[in-house]
Amino acid sequence: QQQVKQSPQSLIVQKGGISIINCAYENTAFDYFPWYQQFPGKGPALLIAIRPDVSEKKEGRFTISFNKSAKQFSLHIMDSQPGDSATYFCAASTIYNQGGKLIFGQGTELSVKP
Amino acid sequence: ETGVTQSPTHLIKTRGQQVTLRCSSQSGHNTVSWYQQALGQGPQFIFQYYREEENGRGNFPPRFSGLQFPNYSSELNVNALELDDSALYLCASSPLRDRERDTQYFGPGTRLTVL
Repeated sequence: QQQVKQSPQSLIVQKGGISIINCAYENTAFDYFPWYQQFPGKGPALLIAIRPDVSEKKEGRFTISFNKSAKQFSLHIMDSQPGDSATYFCAASTIYNQGGKLIFGQGTELSVKP
Repeated sequence: ETGVTQSPTHLIKTRGQQVTLRCSSQSGHNTVSWYQQALGQGPQFIFQYYREEENGRGNFPPRFSGLQFPNYSSELNVNALELDDSALYLCASSPLRDRERDTQYFGPGTRLTVL
């Protein structure tokens, strides 16, 4: 119930294309769903986050789509650039469980080809 | 940059030794969480501290312990190091009493290698 399943494990996209990463969860108590971007040797950086009261959130080229009934959420990166090449992690939490500890997916390694 | 700093950047220890990792939270943040990230994996929650008290713990043995100080800096201590403790240790701070109370900002991490 505490797992967050992320797919695909790796993704190769051409410059200018759309990158799509999917996550699924079981625990209906989760109420916060962030996405993190991590470059090699660095800590995860918060990219964008959504709460269950909305179905979509957009910030620049990054969009989260959220489907509460299916217990799924996804990250869309529009106009993907080589600088977007990194590992992306979805996560989920509820503030009512251990102060909002984040449960992370396994990560998706994105490579954007020029 | 998040304003969360960690030290040291890298550390090499031998099996059985003890290690202390340090974290300085982002200004205004009163909650700190520690995570372990093994190579090729997502971060795993170790524990969280709020107002100098443990506020939750993940599935880690008691040889993993922590402290939070009045200035909201924090330490992670690991005793009796094992080879499997080799990982990137991440500290994250968050403003608990805020609309964004569960938003966590990560530091750069400490890479621990146990030989």
